[in-house]
Amino acid sequence: RKEVEQDPGPFNVPEGATVAFNCTYSNSASQSFFWYRQDCRKEPKLLMSVYSSGNEDGRFTAQLNRASQYISLLIRDSKLSDSATYLCVVNRNFNKFYFGSGTKLNVKP
Amino acid sequence: DAGVTQSPTHLIKTRGQQVTLRCSPKSGHDTVSWYQQALGQGPQFIFQYYEEEERQRGNFPDRFSGHQFPNYSSELNVNALLLGDSALYLCASSLAGGNTEAFFGQGTRLTVV
Repeated sequence: RKEVEQDPGPFNVPEGATVAFNCTYSNSASQSFFWYRQDCRKEPKLLMSVYSSGNEDGRFTAQLNRASQYISLLIRDSKLSDSATYLCVVNRNFNKFYFGSGTKLNVKP
Repeated sequence: DAGVTQSPTHLIKTRGQQVTLRCSPKSGHDTVSWYQQALGQGPQFIFQYYEEEERQRGNFPDRFSGHQFPNYSSELNVNALLLGDSALYLCASSLAGGNTEAFFGQGTRLTVV
């Protein structure tokens, strides 16, 4: 079983839509959690950290459920510039990061 | 404040050759990790260096080796290149102590022909 599993998509949505991505992780010893964004042929960039209490950054909301080992990302009012691949990442064992395969988002005009 | 820098950005090598990739971590960071990202996949952990030693290793053969220098910069060496080694190689820097985010360099795209 993979450490981190994500729906690969692609998710094709119109501008202004709300879209949700889900992710599950297999190891309950995982310590910290992130969403990264990766544009085509570029490096991953940190989008946001994820906390059990939930956290919001503008149009983006992330949530962690440790009991279910489940992480989510909600994007409201999608923009064309949100088109990218979103990587779910968990961290354990002193900054050893485990990546999902990524979920591709295409926002259409 | 310079972020993570990697060199070269692109590289073409022939099967059987050896390659060295380089990484300078973000200022103030002491831990460097290397990842391999094949097309359409998430990055896969190769190994991590801290205090000039390999601290953790992923599921990669020992053709993949590395080094960390006193200034925290790092090298990734791959010997006896295979076609399957073609990928984007990413360097990530972070602070020791765990539970912190990692910052990535722009990557080195290696093509083995």
